[in-house]
This record gives sequence, C-alpha cells and structure tokens, in this order.
Amino acid sequence: NAGVTQTPKFQVLKTGQSMTLQCAQDMNHEYMSWYRQDPGMGLRLIHYSVGAGITDQGEVPNGYNVSRSTTEDFPLRLLSAAPSQTSVYFCASSWGPTDTQYFGPGTRLTVL
Amino acid sequence: EDQVTQSPEALRLQEGESSSLNCSYTVSGLRGLFWYRQDPGKGPEFLFTLYSAGEEKEKERLKATLTKKESFLHITAPKPEDSATYLCAVHATDSWGKLQFGAGTQVVVTP
Repeated sequence: NAGVTQTPKFQVLKTGQSMTLQCAQDMNHEYMSWYRQDPGMGLRLIHYSVGAGITDQGEVPNGYNVSRSTTEDFPLRLLSAAPSQTSVYFCASSWGPTDTQYFGPGTRLTVL
Repeated sequence: EDQVTQSPEALRLQEGESSSLNCSYTVSGLRGLFWYRQDPGKGPEFLFTLYSAGEEKEKERLKATLTKKESFLHITAPKPEDSATYLCAVHATDSWGKLQFGAGTQVVVTP
C-alpha cells in the first residue's frame, strides 16, 4: 500500500513553460486535493475533487488546471509557469471531503 | 472570514521540558480540527482529529485538546525526535471540502 505518491520530486521550469504534476493514491479515496506551501503562509488549497469527473476551486486556483478521469489519479497542470508559482506542492486524499486527509511527499517546483 | 492562527511561530525546548502549542480558530461552525506533524522536506503526517469542545486525544508524548475557540497540542517530556513543524487545520461548516491551515509552529528539541 503506497498511499499517496507524487512525481516528480523536484522540477525547474522557465517562465512560460507548461508541465503536469502527477498525483496518485491506492486507497480508493473519493476526495483528492492539491495544496501549495510557501514560507510563513501555511498550506493553501488550489483545487479539489470529490470524485471522478468532479472538481472545484480552492483558495488559490489561478494559473492551475485539474481534471479527474479516474479515482486514483489527480494531475495538476501549469499551463504557463510564472515565478510566483515557485513553491512546494502537496497532493492529499481522504475518504470524503470532511475526513482526515493523507498527504503525499511533495514536489518542489522552481520557476526561473 | 474563517481564520486559523498558530502560536508561537517557533519554540526551542530542552529535552524533557514540557510545553504547549496553541491553535486559535474563528469559524462559523466547526466540523473538525486536525493536527499534523511535518518533517523537513516531507509531507504532513496526520496526528489527531478533534470534533467537539472538551475532546482530548493522546499519542505517546503528545496530547491534543479542544475548546470552542482554540486547540492545544501539549508535548510532555519531549525528545529530540519530536523536533518538527506542527500544523493545525480546520474544517468549517461553511467551507465544505476545504481544509484551512495555520502557518505552523516549528519545534526544536535539544539534548
């Protein structure tokens, strides 16, 4: 049981480049979410999904896209990276929207 | 507006020196309050969930308590391996599906 996995662990992008952060879970959780963590600001919710085919915006959704075609996977897309998106990104999952969320190991992204 | 505030920002303890971390919250209604531990370069690790005022939960040297306005994480006789950042998060009744985090308290325990 791997839990929540994220790839890549580190990534460096140039401004304007696009990329997809991958997140997968093997716990059959319905709820999945993406957060970014910046120094002194805590974790902030970007997007979340309550099940396959259903997504919604969190606190800081601008510049990010998501889709959920399967229960297991919830990728986060940056269409045109900006330096303000330099951060550590965490994916999390739980049985339901109000249940305990379990986090992946994170992706450290730097945008030059 | 919902708010979660943790204090202090940082705490330095001697091994065996007990202390408490505070998480104060302002929400319309509380669905649940969560405590996580985060080690450098890793994802948050779940510790406790509290749902109603008066509830307490314990795990080894950690004990979490909840009142109507705040939660405390008590660390009893800490060891160096308790060094980490402790995060508090709140699920409010008017923010279905959205967990709101505090900025965390960084704890360093020295031998």
